[in-house]
Amino acid sequence: EPEVTQTPSHQVTQMGQEVILRCVPISNHLYFYWYRQILGQKVEFLVSFYNNEISEKSEIFDDQFSVERPDGSNFTLKIRSTKLEDSAMYFCASSGLAGVGANTGELFFGEGSRLTVL
Amino acid sequence: EDQVTQSPEALRLQEGESSSLNCSYTVSGLRGLFWYRQDPGKGPEFLFTLYSAGEEKEKERLKATLTKKESFLHITAPKPEDSATYLCAVKESNTGKLIFGQGTTLQVKP
Repeated sequence: EPEVTQTPSHQVTQMGQEVILRCVPISNHLYFYWYRQILGQKVEFLVSFYNNEISEKSEIFDDQFSVERPDGSNFTLKIRSTKLEDSAMYFCASSGLAGVGANTGELFFGEGSRLTVL
Repeated sequence: EDQVTQSPEALRLQEGESSSLNCSYTVSGLRGLFWYRQDPGKGPEFLFTLYSAGEEKEKERLKATLTKKESFLHITAPKPEDSATYLCAVKESNTGKLIFGQGTTLQVKP
């Protein structure tokens, strides 16, 4: 069964360092997302990406964050200068089969990348 | 502000003891209510989508229902493998942005 894969599974970094989290979405999906979950809190939307551009972003997704789809398979989240409060589990998700049309919102999530900022 | 509130926060059941989880929501224009299951250390796994009041969906021991203000996830004769956190989320736009509740952590004891 197709799945969303994320790397690394866990990354520890020093405050102020740049971090890149990588995701390989399901191959024939059109919509890509990043969500995060701080320990013990709700899953929070960060950004959605469609047709090679950001379609929506949350207030959390400030200038320190960026996303990129550098090739036909990878989808990355970059945090330029990490802060302590960026420590969280970051989930990549994808949805929307090519040819089906509308984005139903049934998201397929990866297993997450745990980011620890010291 | 859009809100999704789930209750209870935690639920302990004996195997075979049926119960329901609640999700109350307030959104300006609902474009879908979603139930996900999340196992510890894993990403959410899609279960159901409901679009309109009165709609019901079933999968094995789970049944989801929707009214204009809330959704219920009914669990019939649960088994220990049903133990997980169940997340409710709403969608109000076409971009796939989901607003999640805090979840109900279900523990089913044999």
